[in-house]
Amino acid sequence: SYELTQPPSVSVSPGQTARITCSGDALPKQYAYWYQQKPGQAPILVIYKDSERPSGIPERFSGSSSGTTVTLTISGVQAEDESDYYCQSADSTGTYVIFGGGTKLTVL
Amino acid sequence: ELQLVESGGGLVQPGGSLRLSCAASGFTFTTYWMSWVRQAPGKGLEWVATIKRDGSETYYVDSVKGRFTISRDNAKKSLYLQMNSLRAEDTAVYYCARDPERSSGYYFFDYWGQGTLVTVSS
Repeated sequence: SYELTQPPSVSVSPGQTARITCSGDALPKQYAYWYQQKPGQAPILVIYKDSERPSGIPERFSGSSSGTTVTLTISGVQAEDESDYYCQSADSTGTYVIFGGGTKLTVL
Repeated sequence: ELQLVESGGGLVQPGGSLRLSCAASGFTFTTYWMSWVRQAPGKGLEWVATIKRDGSETYYVDSVKGRFTISRDNAKKSLYLQMNSLRAEDTAVYYCARDPERSSGYYFFDYWGQGTLVTVSS
């Protein structure tokens, strides 16, 4: 079965840059998407098609892709960015949608 | 304003059934694929099922195939998830989500409801 692998946690100080990686064999064939989720709230799409940012998402959020790894980068991290972040993609046929296990971003 | 509002969650015994609903507003419901995504307590997100705009195609995660049925009523702008033979491991918050570009081969969710909690326990 297809899997996406994320680090369980990432910690940064305010103003620094946070990078959250997501690895999966199908990522060269399918786009990756990133969601932010705060406790008790629904997920919010922050990056789509590897690097596109939806309207309303701050410019400090960016995405990139290289081979089997995609990266969510948050530049100039703010306290309000402390959340769980999930990557998501699909299998090569598009039949199954897959989420990574999630990464808890802690702002020190 | 775009809204997705889930309802129908609750406590059900193992082996029981439950039907979730999602009321959509603020967008043209008939032009979008729709999905259900769940999240077990303290766990990550898991895609459950997806349905095409006209209901002619459906897709399920393996763990719910044969037990869950996704459907929609475009006249009522509503999405449903019929859940049968429920198990403890189905306990989760169930989110309704809009699937904006599946027809173009892009698989993601741009808007989510607030979710409804399903608890399977005796």
